[in-house]
Amino acid sequence: EIVMTQSPATLSVSPGERATLSCRASQSVSSSLAWYQQKPGQAPRLLIYGASTRATGIPARFSGSGSGTEFTLTISSLQSEDFAVYYCQQYNNWPPLTFGAGTKVEIK
Amino acid sequence: QLVESGGDLVQPGGSLRLSCAASGFTFSSYSMNWVRQAPGKGLEWVSYINSRSNTMYYADSVKGRFTISRDNAKNSLYLQMNSLRAEDTAVYYCARWVYDNSAGSNWYFDLWGRGTLVTVSS
Repeated sequence: EIVMTQSPATLSVSPGERATLSCRASQSVSSSLAWYQQKPGQAPRLLIYGASTRATGIPARFSGSGSGTEFTLTISSLQSEDFAVYYCQQYNNWPPLTFGAGTKVEIK
Repeated sequence: QLVESGGDLVQPGGSLRLSCAASGFTFSSYSMNWVRQAPGKGLEWVSYINSRSNTMYYADSVKGRFTISRDNAKNSLYLQMNSLRAEDTAVYYCARWVYDNSAGSNWYFDLWGRGTLVTVSS
């Protein structure tokens, strides 16, 4: 099973600032990585797939990078609606599909 | 959209059947999954079924206890949960699994339901 490790667990950022979230895989997942956003009481929403391709309707301030075992989600200028929990998920080697534990982006 | 139902309070060792009603798309063309989230915790994949119901996968934590199935004529996905444990307490989401080859070979969950809460407690 591929273990996904996200850091930090919590990120405190002021509106308008840049947020950088990390995700590490226990073995290479190539570019088979997705990012999801989840707000309280809501289902997750797809942001990024293929490590760097934005899903339909996702603003350009969200960008993904990386390959192999190291990945980054960057939010260039945080808006109020971006404060949420973000999960990475690999689909290179499954089952099982595996998620990271999440990074909570909170208002500083 | 996807709408889950069937969540309830059940005693340890009990059984429950979850349903997921799909609408607005050709359900029979898509693979589907169940993903769960324990209170205050992260996302955990539970089970997968392909469009024709001839391939199913399970997380080790539920293998032998849960059974995924679907009825394409009824646009519905199911999860039969037996021998329930306290650690199965979670919100259970059904999620559509999509293959996209527009930018490489990619799979992702592109549509989720709002979830149904299963609580296992005496």
